Amino acid sequence: DTEVTQTPKHLVMGMTNKKSLKCEQHMGHRAMYWYKQKAKKPPELMFVYSYEKLSINESVPSRFSPECPNSSLLNLHLHALQPEDSALYLCASSQRWAQGAKTFGSGTRLTVV
Amino acid sequence: SQQGEEDPQALSIQEGENATMNCSYKTSINNLQWYRQNSGRGLVHLILIRSNEREKHSGRLRVTLDTSKKSSSLLITASRAADTASYFCATGSGGGADGLTFGKGTHLIIQP
Repeated sequence: DTEVTQTPKHLVMGMTNKKSLKCEQHMGHRAMYWYKQKAKKPPELMFVYSYEKLSINESVPSRFSPECPNSSLLNLHLHALQPEDSALYLCASSQRWAQGAKTFGSGTRLTVV
Repeated sequence: SQQGEEDPQALSIQEGENATMNCSYKTSINNLQWYRQNSGRGLVHLILIRSNEREKHSGRLRVTLDTSKKSSSLLITASRAADTASYFCATGSGGGADGLTFGKGTHLIIQP
């Protein structure tokens, strides 16, 4: 299995909702990432998990809460989002010591209404 | 903050022609990578070049790296309609689980 699977593919949520994005990989990768991508912009790093521990938080607002319950799963919990948080959310993984190549999922397209 | 700056931002060529995209970056790097993204979906890793390498090939792709000028180029030879996509360079500072910093991207259109 050489894929990163993200669910759901599309999500529409209200500003008072609580939802979660899910990411799963079975490649034995020990580093996992969340990126946010606005339309016609490059991906921006949000969080990095290494060996299930949060190692990088790029000053992301607390309404985004990551969780890595095990080495194969990465969640992003969403609460009280704003319309400007609408974007494509991409999950990626990599070998801990690869220093580079990331495998990306297809993303979750989030719309906040 | 964005590290890489791609040039051009958009490129339209005829099928069969070669496409060249350039990327510049600002800080020291461990490696530089190129990714392709189709229609706003997931990114696909194309090629990685380390800071001590000057040129690398993979199929129809050729990447060069000039660390003195902090720049890289991606050449796609004999382009195909399926190469239509956005191409991003991304830099890694090293350290295993480091996140990538992406450039603004080049949108490539291959005209049939």
